[in-house]
Amino acid sequence: QLQLQESGSGLMNPLQTLSLTCAVGGGSVSSGGYSWSWIRQPPGKGLEWIGCIFQTGSTDYNPSLKSRVTISLDTSKNQFSLKLTSITAADTAVYFCARDRSGLGAFDIWGQGTMVTVSS
Amino acid sequence: QSVLTQPPSASATPGQRVTISCSGSSSNIGSNPVNWYRQLPGTAPKLLIYSTNQRPSGVPDRFSGSKSGTSASLAISGLQSEDEADYYCAAWDDSLNGHVVFGGGTKLTVL
Repeated sequence: QLQLQESGSGLMNPLQTLSLTCAVGGGSVSSGGYSWSWIRQPPGKGLEWIGCIFQTGSTDYNPSLKSRVTISLDTSKNQFSLKLTSITAADTAVYFCARDRSGLGAFDIWGQGTMVTVSS
Repeated sequence: QSVLTQPPSASATPGQRVTISCSGSSSNIGSNPVNWYRQLPGTAPKLLIYSTNQRPSGVPDRFSGSKSGTSASLAISGLQSEDEADYYCAAWDDSLNGHVVFGGGTKLTVL
């Protein structure tokens, strides 16, 4: 059974760069037919898609975050990563990684999520 | 505000059927399949419906999805107390080079 596990910094200062990694267990991040996404949820609010990466390395990003986001793939470590630059308090959220079975927003496997708080 | 519009809340009694709506536009629901998620407090969302009306393995047939034009619906029949949760719709949006959009979520209360 495929499992995803997020890791990274929990408490950060404004203007820093957020870095998170999603380790893929029980399967391969190179599996065809899937894309790998980052999704976030501010406290008490709804879900926001950040972006995704395909096994080819191509990426798609949320237009509202595109200028600050980079998603990368490391097939040797079977993981994918998120970098978000110039963070503010508005970036405080639970960050989830997820597998998309369709490439159209059908996230069938999720990590448990990791809370990132941005505060000075 | 979210690109996809959902009612903020819904309620029903056990055993009843409830429907949650999701309204979008021609660039998302109007031209792409819709997906539905259930999220219990403090947990990751779970995929309930994909490709508008398909259930992943393990999701009971009490859950069904449909779409008409630029609106979609999730129906839950035989409502159970454990169905009390937040429900989200999602779809691919073809605008601006393409991206996934979510609804704002509907809090379902089982009375």
